[in-house]
Amino acid sequence: QITLKESGPTLVKPTQTLTLTCSFSGFSLSTSGEAVAWFRQPPGRTLEWLAHISWDDDKRYSPSLQKRVTITKDTSGNQAVLTLTNMDPVDTGTYYCAHRRRYITIFDFWGQGISVTVSS
Amino acid sequence: DIQMTQSPSSLSASVGDRVTITCQASQDIDKYLNWYQQKPGKPPNLLIYDVSNLESGVSSRFSGSGSGTHFTLTVSSLQPEDVATYYCQHYDHLPLTFGGGTKVEIK
Repeated sequence: QITLKESGPTLVKPTQTLTLTCSFSGFSLSTSGEAVAWFRQPPGRTLEWLAHISWDDDKRYSPSLQKRVTITKDTSGNQAVLTLTNMDPVDTGTYYCAHRRRYITIFDFWGQGISVTVSS
Repeated sequence: DIQMTQSPSSLSASVGDRVTITCQASQDIDKYLNWYQQKPGKPPNLLIYDVSNLESGVSSRFSGSGSGTHFTLTVSSLQPEDVATYYCQHYDHLPLTFGGGTKVEIK
């Protein structure tokens, strides 16, 4: 059974850097074909894809955030970390990590999400 | 970026009604279209992938169809547990984008 859980700060100040960790079980990012993605959802709005990282350390980013976002995985293969620099109130929302089914861009398991507020 | 336009943005229907949600892509996305259900305060839940493939464990009340730029999600007989917001998402190429969502309520 695959499970994912997001962790990190729930309140950040404008201009600060947000660092979120996705801890998961039931698969490993060291296994061929596996990938983890990050999404966010502002209150009352639709979902936005931010980035994903694959088992072979291939990283893809949303063009609109490319200058601010970084995704990494730890050597154990059980965590994926998202950093977003220069936070702004418009970055407020719920951040989700999700498992991408092996070799196909289908997100079949999601974390519960972490609500992040950007405010001074 | 590919724009995904869903309609309607919200609907209210009676239990047992057949409900259809449409999703229009701004360019041809072949079969690379998924549907998610999201209940309040919960993460999205995959319903259908590749236009018409029902995800394991999802009720057969849900079905998907379409090709190219026009897609539909149908609920054959609306149930109270189907109250949620539904999103389409393409994966033809990056960036992945979602539709604006369709909020489904019971009349």
